[in-house]
Amino acid sequence: DGGITQSPKYLFRKEGQNVTLSCEQNLNHDAMYWYRQDPGQGLRLIYYSQIVNDFQKGDIAEGYSVSREKKESFPLTVTSAQKNPTAFYLCASSLTELTGELFFGEGSRLTVL
Amino acid sequence: DQQVKQNSPSLSVQEGRISILNCDYTNSMFDYFLWYKKYPAEGPTFLISISSIKDKNEDGRFTVFLNKSAKHLSLHIVPSQPGDSAVYFCAAGGGSQGNLIFGKGTKLSVKP
Repeated sequence: DGGITQSPKYLFRKEGQNVTLSCEQNLNHDAMYWYRQDPGQGLRLIYYSQIVNDFQKGDIAEGYSVSREKKESFPLTVTSAQKNPTAFYLCASSLTELTGELFFGEGSRLTVL
Repeated sequence: DQQVKQNSPSLSVQEGRISILNCDYTNSMFDYFLWYKKYPAEGPTFLISISSIKDKNEDGRFTVFLNKSAKHLSLHIVPSQPGDSAVYFCAAGGGSQGNLIFGKGTKLSVKP
């Protein structure tokens, strides 16, 4: 079945450690996105990528980094510079950047101890 | 500045009755709007959308209404079912926006 796979679903890390969240899609979508969800905050865009080897900062990119070496993959690294990394992270994709419908993964819950 | 606002954080409705979820936006250049449904610890799933050239779109129990002059849209669920209990996000896109802008969500609780 086509879809978006995020891993791991739950992740615990010590403060000061970098952590990488995986996102893979087999929908042949060009555009991929990372959102962060906090209680009462809705979905906030971290980074997005329209094509391979290209990506743009979203509204809250500080403390995060991404890469897009393959069309299917868009990993997100939460660095030690991110002040409040504990959150629910959602990866999404769309056919192109200009089409409205986003398809979301199941999410990854990161807890920094 | 929030471009998409969902002013009601929560809504409680009796099973079988109508649920009405509201969303306001500020950017008149948005040309499409979507509603997503989200259960806890899961990713949002697409529910229904509407283009700015329409004022109503219906899909089964779900209807979205768009009032462009008021920059307001609403999602109606009739009849509401306990399985509809979730957080509903309104999103808007188009114009100069390269990606969707989401509201903060409304948590709907449908009581049996």
